[in-house]
Amino acid sequence: SQTIHQWPATLVQPVGSPLSLECTVEGTSNPNLYWYRQAAGRGLQLLFYSVGIGQISSEVPQNLSASRPQDRQFILSSKKLLLSDSGFYLCAWKQGGGETQYFGPGTRLLVL
Amino acid sequence: SQQGEEDPQALSIQEGENATMNCSYKTSINNLQWYRQNSGRGLVHLILIRSNEREKHSGRLRVTLDTSKKSSSLLITASRAADTASYFCATAKPPQGAQKLVFGQGTRLTINP
Repeated sequence: SQTIHQWPATLVQPVGSPLSLECTVEGTSNPNLYWYRQAAGRGLQLLFYSVGIGQISSEVPQNLSASRPQDRQFILSSKKLLLSDSGFYLCAWKQGGGETQYFGPGTRLLVL
Repeated sequence: SQQGEEDPQALSIQEGENATMNCSYKTSINNLQWYRQNSGRGLVHLILIRSNEREKHSGRLRVTLDTSKKSSSLLITASRAADTASYFCATAKPPQGAQKLVFGQGTRLTINP
């Protein structure tokens, strides 16, 4: 069966520091991968999605970037964090021809 | 911008009662999906209804879709304390492709024992 992992689970970082969040999927190949951010008490906002290795689409202008160095690995990065980058970051995957997205456990980021 | 808008924002009912949540959206869709999120956790997929479907059931869940009104409802029957969570609708717009989901703000459901 397929599983999706995210780490770390929580992270506290100072303003101006770099960021790297990792997401990996097991049990499938060539998935579509997604990064979402959820502000406290709000819905999810799509940040990036990828349909293949090295293919990244950005949905909103921001301080973050994404990379897909391997088929089942999706990384969210920043060179310098802002206070406004705080939030709950969720990774999701779906089969290429499928309709349902499956979410990871999320990473809670607090920028101080 | 968020396309889906859930209503109510918060709902508190007694265990055993039915809970109904509504979702409205603005543009044409391929499908509409409902997710549940327990506090501080990831999202769990509940049910997907396609644009050519009007009603779908899964266990105690019943989802309806009215594309003429651009609205959907999620009914949870015989609620249990474990149903306490936030519920989100998400719409997928055509073309199907990468299927970028647009989420609403969610309904926070509390089931009182």
